[in-house]
Amino acid sequence: GQQVMQIPQYQHVQEGEDFTTYCNSSTTLSNIQWYKQRPGGHPVFLIQLVKSGEVKKQKRLTFQFGEAKKNSSLHITATQTTDVGTYFCANKFYFGSGTKLNVKP
Amino acid sequence: DAGVTQSPTHLIKTRGQQVTLRCSPISGHKSVSWYQQVLGQGPQFIFQYYEKEERGRGNFPDRFSARQFPNYSSELNVNALLLGDSALYLCASSLEGDSGYGYTFGSGTRLTVV
Repeated sequence: GQQVMQIPQYQHVQEGEDFTTYCNSSTTLSNIQWYKQRPGGHPVFLIQLVKSGEVKKQKRLTFQFGEAKKNSSLHITATQTTDVGTYFCANKFYFGSGTKLNVKP
Repeated sequence: DAGVTQSPTHLIKTRGQQVTLRCSPISGHKSVSWYQQVLGQGPQFIFQYYEKEERGRGNFPDRFSARQFPNYSSELNVNALLLGDSALYLCASSLEGDSGYGYTFGSGTRLTVV
């Protein structure tokens, strides 16, 4: 498994604004997974990306896997208070440090 | 179907003691992974077991050990507890060792070492 780095560590947005978190690796990744952890909860699997340049959408969430398979992003359009939580990327066994999203109503 | 179940939910232990945490995976899942999560950090990988064999081990001291039983449930043991072992311990199950379908996490065991 490869270590993955995530930025930013924190993001505070006004409800309705967009949000993006980035996941980077120094080496090529076999796949990337994204998880969401609500405050006081446990990580919940969102999606897995496998192919170079892959883009997947889940309602307001858009996930991308870079062409070189070394980076990935999660973009949320028009955030809602229900989006609050920490978003983690992961490769095999290893999780990034997460981006904590706070949404002000 | 029940999700991943972990027991106990909370635990308080004294430094130097030993603790055993338990996990039952989703029915049909053959892989169990253990993670330690300290407040404000991402889950740190401890072990993965698949079909009762250790498939991966994270950077944790030998005080940490685990095993998987024939019914695919698992135990995590930590000996000689330190204050720094206080954390949320998460168990995750998946169909196979390489979680192409993602890991399903339990609610965790909150361990406090005093």
